[in-house]
Amino acid sequence: DGGITQSPKYLFRKEGQNVTLSCEQNLNHDAMYWYRQDPGQGLRLIYYSQIVNDFQKGDIAEGYSVSREKKESFPLTVTSAQKNPTAFYLCASSSLAGGFGEQFFGPGTRLTVL
Amino acid sequence: AQKVTQAQTEISVVEKEDVTLDCVYETRDTTYYLFWYKQPPSGELVFLIRRNSFDEQNEISGRYSWNFQKSTSSFNFTITASQVVDSAVYFCALSEAHGSGNTGKLIFGQGTTLQVKP
Repeated sequence: DGGITQSPKYLFRKEGQNVTLSCEQNLNHDAMYWYRQDPGQGLRLIYYSQIVNDFQKGDIAEGYSVSREKKESFPLTVTSAQKNPTAFYLCASSSLAGGFGEQFFGPGTRLTVL
Repeated sequence: AQKVTQAQTEISVVEKEDVTLDCVYETRDTTYYLFWYKQPPSGELVFLIRRNSFDEQNEISGRYSWNFQKSTSSFNFTITASQVVDSAVYFCALSEAHGSGNTGKLIFGQGTTLQVKP
């Protein structure tokens, strides 16, 4: 089945550690996105990528890093520089062909800093 | 600046009631897209509808209907005969300004939490 997978579903991190969240899609979509969602809040864009080997900062990129070495993969690293990383992280992808396609979302990763 | 406002933070209804979720947007673009997503307790966002700015026809899909009015910059979502399974957070979203190129980026509202009680 086509879709987006994120792993792990739950992640616990000690302060000062970097962690990497996985996002894979088999929809052959060009664009991929990372969002952060805090309790009772909307989605805030962290990074996005329209093409392999290229990505742009979103609204809250500080303390995060990404790579896009393959079309189907867009991992997000939460670094120790991120002051308050505990949140729900959602990955999405969309096709850029033919105008604005809808974004398809993965199941999310819930990150907790201990 | 582009913006999406969902003024209703939380709505609570009893099963079988009709409920309308409001969405008001701001954009200077003449070509844009509007979206609705549902986020059930599991967390994954589920796509419901996409509408482009040139199509003002209302749409109905089962118990769901959408009312798009350019004159008031609104794209409201109505659930008829609500059910407990409709309980979720609902997000309205707007495509980023065309002048930025087609990044596929969306601007989301803050979301409306709908609780349907049995």
